[in-house]
Amino acid sequence: DTEVTQTPKHLVMGMTNKKSLKCEQHMGHRAMYWYKQKAKKPPELMFVYSYEKLSINESVPSRFSPECPNSSLLNLHLHALQPEDSALYLCASSRISGETQYFGPGTRLLVL
Amino acid sequence: DQQVKQNSPSLSVQEGRISILNCDYTNSMFDYFLWYKKYPAEGPTFLISISSIKDKNEDGRFTVFLNKSAKHLSLHIVPSQPGDSAVYFCAARRSGTSYGKLTFGQGTILTVHP
Repeated sequence: DTEVTQTPKHLVMGMTNKKSLKCEQHMGHRAMYWYKQKAKKPPELMFVYSYEKLSINESVPSRFSPECPNSSLLNLHLHALQPEDSALYLCASSRISGETQYFGPGTRLLVL
Repeated sequence: DQQVKQNSPSLSVQEGRISILNCDYTNSMFDYFLWYKKYPAEGPTFLISISSIKDKNEDGRFTVFLNKSAKHLSLHIVPSQPGDSAVYFCAARRSGTSYGKLTFGQGTILTVHP
């Protein structure tokens, strides 16, 4: 089973809203990732968690705030986003950092 | 600086024939390469990978070839099926990167015609 689930599938929010994206995996993976993908572009890494600790922040603006409550869950808290933040947000996990990453279906975010 | 390049934005193939998707890279520190398939509105699905110590890896209809001297890898799909129609991304991991950052190519849209 290589399933990573993400909720919600779609999200529309205003620039003053606060929302959260959720990601879950039950494969026992200890590394989890957030990516952002714009249309017709490849995924771009945002954050990496390894053993529930943030190991990499790819210079992401502070309006994006990741959280890893436990080894199965990864959240991305959103606040004061801009329209250009509209994109597909992908979560991935791997057994440990550096190994093959398995992606969830993504959350399509629209910021108005 | 695009370190992983997929120079063909699209590829059209007849069902049953071979599909060959190509990927070039510039960073000699990459030591692990992966291919992902992506349908619209879905996340990328892992297909196959290859370590830099190998030059070929096979899994069913999918074979990945790696030519380190040319910094080139290719994905062969034989026989191609209409359900293979999707965007294919190659990705590379740099050695010594403990956090496993993947660098993706721009993707190639494969269309398999019945």
